[in-house]
Amino acid sequence: DAKTTQPTSMDCAEGRAANLPCNHSTISGNEYVYWYRQIHSQGPQYIIHGLKNNETNEMASLIITEDRKSSTLILPHATLRDTAVYYCIATPRSSGTYKYIFGTGTRLKVLA
Amino acid sequence: EAQVTQNPRYLITVTGKKLTVTCSQNMNHEYMSWYRQDPGLGLRQIYYSMNVEVTDKGDVPEGYKVSRKEKRNFPLILESPSPNQTSLYFCASMPRVVDSPLHFGNGTRLTVT
Repeated sequence: DAKTTQPTSMDCAEGRAANLPCNHSTISGNEYVYWYRQIHSQGPQYIIHGLKNNETNEMASLIITEDRKSSTLILPHATLRDTAVYYCIATPRSSGTYKYIFGTGTRLKVLA
Repeated sequence: EAQVTQNPRYLITVTGKKLTVTCSQNMNHEYMSWYRQDPGLGLRQIYYSMNVEVTDKGDVPEGYKVSRKEKRNFPLILESPSPNQTSLYFCASMPRVVDSPLHFGNGTRLTVT
């Protein structure tokens, strides 16, 4: 499984876009990039995932570089409720390997 | 409501007293997994199960046992708990479909004295 690297913490002003980067330079062709977030000590919550193409849903957008070595999660209009730890994970699924390595994530603080 | 249910939410016990943390999902998911979360270490996988009667070690399996006798249940067993197993534990499940995400329970905070 590809190891991912994220900044330890970030701040963002309320109402502004939050751009959370993730480096996965060793990602292989069959590995998806998933993003989860964890608010306080609750169970992590799925946000979005992608393989090659950029993705958007009601929560966020995911931009994956053409070489797939990095990605950015975008929260378009951050609110105070988006304050959380955000995890980027690269994991193969088609091979039958199901080891999700979460790492320590990015602690995002949205400021009023 | 589709969910992963863990019990108990909080547990305080003493060293050496066997305990079981239950996990149940109502989504007919094949895959289930246990994680522990400690400050500064993120989420670490303890065990996972691809289907009934199939379990595999994660990154930190020492001191833990699991079983998967039924599809919906995946209990975590600590035969002889020690203080270094004090942690926040999460159970998760997902279907064996290529791009489906994990669904997490609300966690069990365990303290071993």
